[in-house]
Amino acid sequence: AQRVTQPEKLLSVFKGAPVELKCNYSYSGSPELFWYVQYSRQRLQLLLRHISRESIKGFTADLNKGETSFHLKKPFAQEEDSAMYYCALRGDNFNKFYFGSGTKLNVKP
Amino acid sequence: EPEVTQTPSHQVTQMGQEVILRCVPISNHLYFYWYRQILGQKVEFLVSFYNNEISEKSEIFDDQFSVERPDGSNFTLKIRSTKLEDSAMYFCASRTGGVTEAFFGQGTRLTVV
Repeated sequence: AQRVTQPEKLLSVFKGAPVELKCNYSYSGSPELFWYVQYSRQRLQLLLRHISRESIKGFTADLNKGETSFHLKKPFAQEEDSAMYYCALRGDNFNKFYFGSGTKLNVKP
Repeated sequence: EPEVTQTPSHQVTQMGQEVILRCVPISNHLYFYWYRQILGQKVEFLVSFYNNEISEKSEIFDDQFSVERPDGSNFTLKIRSTKLEDSAMYFCASRTGGVTEAFFGQGTRLTVV
């Protein structure tokens, strides 16, 4: 069965510290992986998709098929990064997106 | 930049009443979704819609739920007889075909009393 696991509900770091939000997935085919961010009282917004291999707002994420992970990383966290972060998977044979339970990132000054 | 829009932003309804949540997806998108998020819980898939029919639905999407795309622009979620446990934030999303992400609306907070 498809599953997305984000083991940390809350991650608190100081400004300027590195941050890594973990995401592991379970899917037997070729998944598409995404990171969505939800700032306070705003809609879910796409942050990254694995297929683009891009860096957005200093965040990167690499799909590791061996470890079935898609961790989100940023070398120097900023206060404005404080938000809920959701990892999401879409399989190659279906439409829907599976979301992890989310990690709340709190960047302290 | 085009956005998915949802109305109303907040709906309060009495248990047993019918509610219709409305969404206007992005105009050239082909796939449409409803998700919900009960307070403090994960974002859960309800239903996807493509080519004027439901393509997938979850166990949550039972007979009390229905979706429609009545006029080629709106995409609605109807809950026939609301229960207390239907209280949640409901998100509409849409996407184009291929390897693309879903774009989400700002959500409708449904409170059943």
